[in-house]
Amino acid sequence: DAKTTQPTSMDCAEGRAANLPCNHSTISGNEYVYWYRQIHSQGPQYIIHGLKNNETNEMASLIITEDRKSSTLILPHATLRDTAVYYCIVNNQGGKLIFGQGTELSVKP
Amino acid sequence: DAMVIQNPRYQVTQFGKPVTLSCSQTLNHNVMYWYQQKSSQAPKLLFHYYDKDFNNEADTPDNFQSRRPNTSFCFLDIRSPGLGDAAMYLCATSRGTGYNEQFFGPGTRLTVL
Repeated sequence: DAKTTQPTSMDCAEGRAANLPCNHSTISGNEYVYWYRQIHSQGPQYIIHGLKNNETNEMASLIITEDRKSSTLILPHATLRDTAVYYCIVNNQGGKLIFGQGTELSVKP
Repeated sequence: DAMVIQNPRYQVTQFGKPVTLSCSQTLNHNVMYWYQQKSSQAPKLLFHYYDKDFNNEADTPDNFQSRRPNTSFCFLDIRSPGLGDAAMYLCATSRGTGYNEQFFGPGTRLTVL
């Protein structure tokens, strides 16, 4: 499975968009990009995933570059409850989630 | 609501005393996973069941065992807990190994004295 690189931490003002980047330069053609988040003292929560097209759901949008070597998770209007560690994971739907260190997002009032 | 339930939420055991953590699901998913998450680290997969087929990760210590008596329940047994086994233990489910949307329980925090 391809390795991902994410910033260790980011801050975002409440009500603004949070844009979380992820680099996955070694991604292969059949690998998907998944995003999960983990709020403190809770289990991880699935957010969104995509292969090459941009995706949107009720939680977030996922923008994948044309060469698929990087992606951005967008939380359009961040709230304090979005404070969490966000994990970008790349795999081929083989069932194994290999979590990296993730980005600790702090949403501030 | 369909969910993944873990009991207890907090478990304290003594060094070397066997302990069992439990997980149940109402999602009727085929796959159940156990992860270990140590303080300030990312979750790490220990093993998973696809139906009754057990799949161990290569680096999971023998001290960790699992049982899945039926679709709904899965147990994590730690035969002789050491201080290094103190962690959050997370249970997750998915419809199948081709589906990577995994649903996680709240976790059991294990303390070893």
